[in-house]
Amino acid sequence: DAGVIQSPRHEVTEMGQEVTLRCKPISGHNSLFWYRQTMMRGLELLIYFNNNVPIDDSGMPEDRFSAKMPNASFSTLKIQPSEPRDSAVYFCASSNREGSEQYFGPGTRLTVT
Amino acid sequence: QKEVEQNSGPLSVPEGAIASLNCTYSDRGSQSFFWYRQYSGKSPELIMSIYSNGDKEDGRFTAQLNKASQYVSLLIRDSQPSDSATYLCAVNWGFGNEKLTFGTGTRLTIIP
Repeated sequence: DAGVIQSPRHEVTEMGQEVTLRCKPISGHNSLFWYRQTMMRGLELLIYFNNNVPIDDSGMPEDRFSAKMPNASFSTLKIQPSEPRDSAVYFCASSNREGSEQYFGPGTRLTVT
Repeated sequence: QKEVEQNSGPLSVPEGAIASLNCTYSDRGSQSFFWYRQYSGKSPELIMSIYSNGDKEDGRFTAQLNKASQYVSLLIRDSQPSDSATYLCAVNWGFGNEKLTFGTGTRLTIIP
């Protein structure tokens, strides 16, 4: 059974450019989470969806960040415009019920120069 | 501010010994607790979940939960070099919220 799928695995872009990260959750999972991991701040939750509806976006750092989940099998995290301080590894995770285990994708390593 | 705290390490343990990793959390009402293993450059991998007081064993891993003292621990028996990784403790605060708060992780090194 396929796990969480993320693309691209690596992204290098210049400051000011738009970046779009993609995620496909595990089939049958109804919750999807976007995390960011840096050495300084560790693993931080940015936003999560339940049944395609955004439930908590309190971790989204600023208006440059937006996330969508148009259907149960796809989500995007967009940064526009990107800045060097956005450089991090972005993980997507999914789970199948409240309070239960979350399974992580391989992550997207973003470098903004 | 709900917090999860771990000793960042590094924790060095001889091969074959028991590795003990600890985690404390700030909210007494927390519901679910998880241990993730993260190898360098890889994503967090779920290795244990525990929901009620006491011990839960899975192979060489044992998770221990004490809600009264607000700590959760992970024991790794017969430690192997392949267990060398960063271990992240995560807590779900419950009450209809699916968010996990992660500790900063403990870096474990198994010495052959």
